[in-house]
Amino acid sequence: EVQLVESGGGLIQPGGSLRLSCAASGFTVGTNYMSWVRQAPGEGLEWVSLIYSDGTTYYADSVKGRFTISRDNSKNTLHLQMNSLRAADTAVYYCVRVTTWNGEFDYWGQGTLVTVSS
Amino acid sequence: QSALTQPASVSGSPGQAITISCTGTRSDAESYKFVSWYQQHPGKAPKLMIYEATKRPSGVSNRFSASKSGNTASLTISGLQAEDEADYYCCSYTGYSSWVFGGGTKVTVL
Repeated sequence: EVQLVESGGGLIQPGGSLRLSCAASGFTVGTNYMSWVRQAPGEGLEWVSLIYSDGTTYYADSVKGRFTISRDNSKNTLHLQMNSLRAADTAVYYCVRVTTWNGEFDYWGQGTLVTVSS
Repeated sequence: QSALTQPASVSGSPGQAITISCTGTRSDAESYKFVSWYQQHPGKAPKLMIYEATKRPSGVSNRFSASKSGNTASLTISGLQAEDEADYYCCSYTGYSSWVFGGGTKVTVL
C-alpha cells in the first residue's frame, strides 16, 4: 500500500527556515517523480515543486530561489527546504507522487501545516 | 502560462447530474490533454478522480465522468449523492515542467 507521511511543519517567523520531510512507503521515491503542492487556508491548490527520477528539479515562480526539493534514497524520503519564509507561504504542504513527467498526482500525503507569522 | 477558470460553486439535488467546467486561456486543445480532476473533502487531502482528461482511476465511481472540448474540460457527476459534496479542482500540465490548478468548485448537494 502506498503511503506518504509529511512532517516538519510548524510556526515560524518571517525570514526563517523550515525543512519538511515526507516518508514514503509502498514504492521507491528515487525512481518516481515527486512533487509538493500547497494550500493556503481557505484557498485553492498551488503546485510548488517537482523532482524527476533523474534528480532534475523545478519550482513555481513564487518559491524559486527560496525553496529546495531533494530526496534521500536511503531513507525513501522527500524533503522541502524552505528559506526566507514569508506570510504568503502559510499553507498546508502536501507531498505528492506524480505518475509521469507530465501526468497527474495519484497519491497524496495528509499534509503538514506551515504558519509563517511573527 | 495557462490559467484555469472554474465556477466557484455548483449545486444539485440528490440523483441529479451536475457538470463542472474548467476553462483554460490557451487555444490549442492539445494543451488540455493532461487535465486531471481532484476531489477534496474538508480537512482531507485531495483525491485523484480523473486523469488524462477523461480516464477514471481504478476505484473511482463510474458516476464520475469527464470530457474536453477545445480549451474547456468538464467533470460530470451523475446520480449526485450526499458524499459527493466537496471541493473539486481541475489541474493541467503546462508544458514547462509545472502544473496549474483551477480555483476550485464547491459542490453542494441540496
